[in-house]
Amino acid sequence: GAVVSQHPSRVICKSGTSVKIECRSLDFQATTMFWYRQFPKQSLMLMATSNEGSKATYEQGVEKDKFLINHASLTLSTLTVTSAHPEDSSFYICSARTGIAYGYTFGSGTRLTVV
Amino acid sequence: AQSVTQLDSQVPVFEEAPVELRCNYSSSVSVYLFWYVQYPNQGLQLLLKYLSGSTLVKGINGFEAEFNKSQTSFHLRKPSVHISDTAEYFCAVIGGATNKLIFGTGTLLAVQP
Repeated sequence: GAVVSQHPSRVICKSGTSVKIECRSLDFQATTMFWYRQFPKQSLMLMATSNEGSKATYEQGVEKDKFLINHASLTLSTLTVTSAHPEDSSFYICSARTGIAYGYTFGSGTRLTVV
Repeated sequence: AQSVTQLDSQVPVFEEAPVELRCNYSSSVSVYLFWYVQYPNQGLQLLLKYLSGSTLVKGINGFEAEFNKSQTSFHLRKPSVHISDTAEYFCAVIGGATNKLIFGTGTLLAVQP
């Protein structure tokens, strides 16, 4: 149980275009989801907290106009990287609270490469 | 604010040897502590967590960790490692009213034959 599906697993896009990453909770309802960014051989940096039906809460230093987060249903949160540039290339991971004893389930991640 | 420190960026160890991955936390309130494992180009998998109760926590794949409040530590141990344990290991904390997971910098466990 408590599976989070993240798509796509890999995406290559041209500089200036936008890319959408989806994160779905398959067998539970996730009122809260989290988006992380991970640079090579580094830790996960929390970008934002996504709450169903309300605006996302962004961490300090994260551009909310560049990283658009939508959590329109209890099973889906999306991260859109707008006007992507090569420096946005990274590994993005979503996570959802399962609601059971501080359970957090992670998606398998998305490798974004901007060329 | 809560934080975790993983002092070892990489730990090389021979197969079937014991290993300890160190994690120290900083928090002024009660904490919940976690260890996650990440294989290349994948998400994170929970190994174990400490919420309350017994300070010795047993997890999956033969791992265990001990919560030590006086030393503010939560070290991960395994008595005998396998090649397949080679991965990145992250210690994480939730503290106080926040429900955010804050990760350490990670430790690469490199198991050699």
